[in-house]
Amino acid sequence: QSVLTQPPSASGAPGQRVTISCSGRGSNIGTNFACWFQHLPGMAPKLLIYKNNQRPSGVPDRFSGSKSGTSASLDIGGLRSEDEADYYCAVWDGSLSAWVFGGGTKLTVL
Amino acid sequence: EVQLVESGGGLVKPGGSLRLSCAGSGFTFSSFSMHWVRQAPGKGLEWVSSITGSGTYKYFADSLKGRVTISRDNAKNSLYLQVNNLGAEDTAIYYCARDWNNGDSTWGQGTLVTVSS
Repeated sequence: QSVLTQPPSASGAPGQRVTISCSGRGSNIGTNFACWFQHLPGMAPKLLIYKNNQRPSGVPDRFSGSKSGTSASLDIGGLRSEDEADYYCAVWDGSLSAWVFGGGTKLTVL
Repeated sequence: EVQLVESGGGLVKPGGSLRLSCAGSGFTFSSFSMHWVRQAPGKGLEWVSSITGSGTYKYFADSLKGRVTISRDNAKNSLYLQVNNLGAEDTAIYYCARDWNNGDSTWGQGTLVTVSS
């Protein structure tokens, strides 16, 4: 069982907006920056969001991140078929002295 | 171009050991913390270990503590992961990744480790 809790699945139609949540605790999300990765089958994971809401260069602004208390969220707007992937949140946990990943959310574009 | 290439995976018998390597290129290797992350078949990403740029500080997942060693040779732009007493639960694709804290992260394509008799 992951330290960070994500819904196992999410879905939306092309063009719609979907939000993926990541619930943690004070020692991880409550204290440190969250990041988000996109993982397509057979590919290397890709950093989508860092420091809660920052996008690396090249990541479309359809992807946005936020944090409130001990939860983080990833918003994907204007869904496209190529967004079908697994999405993971990750954060440093100060109590564990370890990085922790959420269990992952499989996004389906209907 | 920033690139990370893992090697050293393969078929290992239970109880055996493996040393994975990750070769970096296209960036100042010693300036970045590095991570190992793995994905077991049908499972999610699992952080394994991290090491700071100088190699001074090392961190390990509780699930592997005592069985894993992380090291780096900055002169060779290389990162290593030694895993001992391998079990079926260690079967996974092992990825190395450059630090993701500042938005400039790169991951390798991964190397597959299969533990089976």
